Amino acid sequence: DVKVTQSSRYLVKRTGEKVFLECVQDMDHENMFWYRQDPGLGLRLIYFSYDVKMKEKGDIPEGYSVSREKKERFSLILESASTNQTSMYLCASSLLGARTEAFFGQGTRLTVV
Amino acid sequence: QQQVKQSPQSLIVQKGGISIINCAYENTAFDYFPWYQQFPGKGPALLIAIRPDVSEKKEGRFTISFNKSAKQFSLHIMDSQPGDSATYFCAAPRSGNTGKLIFGQGTTLQVKP
Repeated sequence: DVKVTQSSRYLVKRTGEKVFLECVQDMDHENMFWYRQDPGLGLRLIYFSYDVKMKEKGDIPEGYSVSREKKERFSLILESASTNQTSMYLCASSLLGARTEAFFGQGTRLTVV
Repeated sequence: QQQVKQSPQSLIVQKGGISIINCAYENTAFDYFPWYQQFPGKGPALLIAIRPDVSEKKEGRFTISFNKSAKQFSLHIMDSQPGDSATYFCAAPRSGNTGKLIFGQGTTLQVKP
């Protein structure tokens, strides 16, 4: 069974903290993604990576950074968490190509207080 | 031109009824239209997808209808069941051959027994 695994289901962090969200996939996929899900706004792309050490900004990269040191692992970093970053974060992976299926993790519900 | 607009935001249907979710796009270069289904507490998963060389695709009770001239595509759920209660996202590929998707705003479907 193919899997994308996010390290935490729920996180509560304080304003100003540095936050790490980890994602691991076991499908040898080239692409990995971080999305943010908010009601009424759908899934918004934060960052995308198509290879180790390669990254592209998505639609809402401000306040976030990413790291991909190994093919199977993609980390999202909130340099200084703010309350407006309270949200559901979803990691996904897919094969390289225009019409490939994206596989999602179960999500991390982050609350910044 | 990179937008996908989805409606309605929420939908309540009686068991056995037909659920219809609509999406509109602007970029005529889009050539692949997947729908993702997300159950509470889970990540989205691919439900069904269509390419614009066909006007309809059916998989069980789920049908995508595609209207190229109107730049619209719809998901129809026939004989809706309480187990279909979920959030549904339409999507389209972003420019380039990378596998990045742009998602609609999402529709939360509730099927009442």
